[in-house]
Amino acid sequence: DTGVSQDPRHKITKRGQNVTFRCDPISEHNRLYWYRQTLGQGPEFLTYFQNEAQLEKSRLLSDRFSAERPKGSFSTLEIQRTEQGDSAMYLCASSDGTANFYTFGSGTRLTVV
Amino acid sequence: LAKTTQPISMDSYEGQEVNITCSHNNIATNDYITWYQQFPSQGPRFIIQGYKTKVTNEVASLFIPADRKSSTLSLPRVSLSDTAVYYCLVGDKSGGSYIPTFGRGTSLIVHP
Repeated sequence: DTGVSQDPRHKITKRGQNVTFRCDPISEHNRLYWYRQTLGQGPEFLTYFQNEAQLEKSRLLSDRFSAERPKGSFSTLEIQRTEQGDSAMYLCASSDGTANFYTFGSGTRLTVV
Repeated sequence: LAKTTQPISMDSYEGQEVNITCSHNNIATNDYITWYQQFPSQGPRFIIQGYKTKVTNEVASLFIPADRKSSTLSLPRVSLSDTAVYYCLVGDKSGGSYIPTFGRGTSLIVHP
């Protein structure tokens, strides 16, 4: 296992299109987190899963954002009807829930034009 | 959630020791202190974690006074490759409903 994997690394999309990002956590980690990061800011929490259950989603930025983790392994983050303000780095992290340190992926850089 | 306060930026030179202090005045009894490092276009990377006194690993040292209201990350003999943003987080090690919350971090620039 090489860590947390995110795909794609970069995505350029036109305003109004839908985009989906994938995150593959470390295989034995049951917790998975999504963050958004804009330039000059720290990562901003969006949502997290424990196994397949989404335990916190109130901080998703709008109803255009949704996330799934159907089998408790990989997760997807979808943004519908993208806006220019959605341009950011989207980060995924995972943990085994026994200690509060988290392994992050390299992120997906989204550019909405 | 315990809030943390760090300097926005710091400058240093190669070979010097760098100390970054984080304030967390309302840290809870069960909270641990964790530091992450982030390079541009990468996700944050775990550096070190501690509860009290001093913790040292191959990368850094973490000093935590008895009242635990602050902590200091110490990077010995920094190099240009240590230029990065450093984040201090506090939270319950057991996980529970803890959600790691990042501030703006400290941007460290190491000069030749």
